[in-house]
Amino acid sequence: TAGITQAPTSQILAAGRSMTLRCTQDMRHNAMYWYRQDLGLGLRLIHYSNTAGTTGKGEVPDGYSVSRANTDDFPLTLASAVPSQTSVYFCASSQQGEVTEAFFGQGTRLTVV
Amino acid sequence: QKEVEQNSGPLSVPEGAIASLNCTYSDRVSQSFFWYRQYSGKSPELIMSIYSNGDKEDGRFTAQLNKASQYVSLLIRDSQPSDSATYLCAVNKYSTLTFGKGTMLLVSP
Repeated sequence: TAGITQAPTSQILAAGRSMTLRCTQDMRHNAMYWYRQDLGLGLRLIHYSNTAGTTGKGEVPDGYSVSRANTDDFPLTLASAVPSQTSVYFCASSQQGEVTEAFFGQGTRLTVV
Repeated sequence: QKEVEQNSGPLSVPEGAIASLNCTYSDRVSQSFFWYRQYSGKSPELIMSIYSNGDKEDGRFTAQLNKASQYVSLLIRDSQPSDSATYLCAVNKYSTLTFGKGTMLLVSP
């Protein structure tokens, strides 16, 4: 079973370049999330989407944008990467509601040099 | 005050012992609570969820919730070396999850 698929698994990106991290889920969950995980800072929410066509800002949204054209896909775009965006990025999805059991993709390790 | 707080550890226990992991949260609006396990280099994996005051048991795991004290804990009975991982506490508020920084658990054979 696929669940949540992220691509690429890892990437080295030159500062100033743009990049889109891809996330696809096949669980028909209506909510999707992007987190970044940094040593000592834990998982921090970047952006989220409660349903197709809507998005919201999380704790650390600056420098990132998202779109949610359909239920399955939730890409995260870095328009002009900076070294501070070096991190491990996790996409997650859940069936939105009071019970928000979120399930995670395998992660994308991004290094901005 | 951080929204979700956990001791970073490491918490070291011998094999077969009970490991007790604790988490406090600041916002009384929070309605549901989760424990995730994360092995090094891997993604978080949901292991327990709890929504009501009291205890919830699943195999060797017991989650405990006390909303009055804004406290949630995870007990792991008969700890195994394979339980060595970082345990993340997560709190649901307004349909988004806020995570603690995690507690590293080390189970020695």
